[in-house]
Amino acid sequence: LAKTTQPISMDSYEGQEVNITCSHNNIATNDYITWYQQFPSQGPRFIIQGYKTKVTNEVASLFIPADRKSSTLSLPRVSLSDTAVYYCLVGSAYSGAGSYQLTFGKGTKLSVIP
Amino acid sequence: DAGVIQSPRHEVTEMGQEVTLRCKPISGHNSLFWYRQTMMRGLELLIYFNNNVPIDDSGMPEDRFSAKMPNASFSTLKIQPSEPRDSAVYFCASSLAGLVYNEQFFGPGTRLTVL
Repeated sequence: LAKTTQPISMDSYEGQEVNITCSHNNIATNDYITWYQQFPSQGPRFIIQGYKTKVTNEVASLFIPADRKSSTLSLPRVSLSDTAVYYCLVGSAYSGAGSYQLTFGKGTKLSVIP
Repeated sequence: DAGVIQSPRHEVTEMGQEVTLRCKPISGHNSLFWYRQTMMRGLELLIYFNNNVPIDDSGMPEDRFSAKMPNASFSTLKIQPSEPRDSAVYFCASSLAGLVYNEQFFGPGTRLTVL
């Protein structure tokens, strides 16, 4: 499983755009990049997933350069409720043995300041 | 759908006692995962099942831990005997395995305290 590196913590003011970058230098050809969000006292929740270029949904955008050795999660106009831990994960698609494993690192603790 | 259901939400027990954590996955999902989360070690995968069959239990810390999935709608994680270092939040997650990456849906967790 590819190892990921992301900042331990970030602070941002309300209304600003937040970009969290994740490094995954040994990403494999079949690997997808996925981000999860975890609020205190809750389980992680899927935010977004991508393979290359840019993916956008109602919550966030994910930017992946051509070499795929890093990715950036972009949260537009954050609010206090976006305060959470954000995990970057890299893993390969279904291998035939069932769902593949997720390896969570320590994540990035985002604190949104009023 | 009610999502992944875990019980109990909180468990306090004494060292040496048996602890059983329960999980009901989302109906129709065929993969189930047990995780443990602590401040020191973060979120660790303990074991996962596909179609009720254990696929990888390499994350189970030692023989004191065991997990079963007797049917598609129920799984248990048992610790016997429990030790203070087992204190953590235990999460269960489920997903629908397919040909592409599968989103995992997590339950609310069980906070275990072993005194």
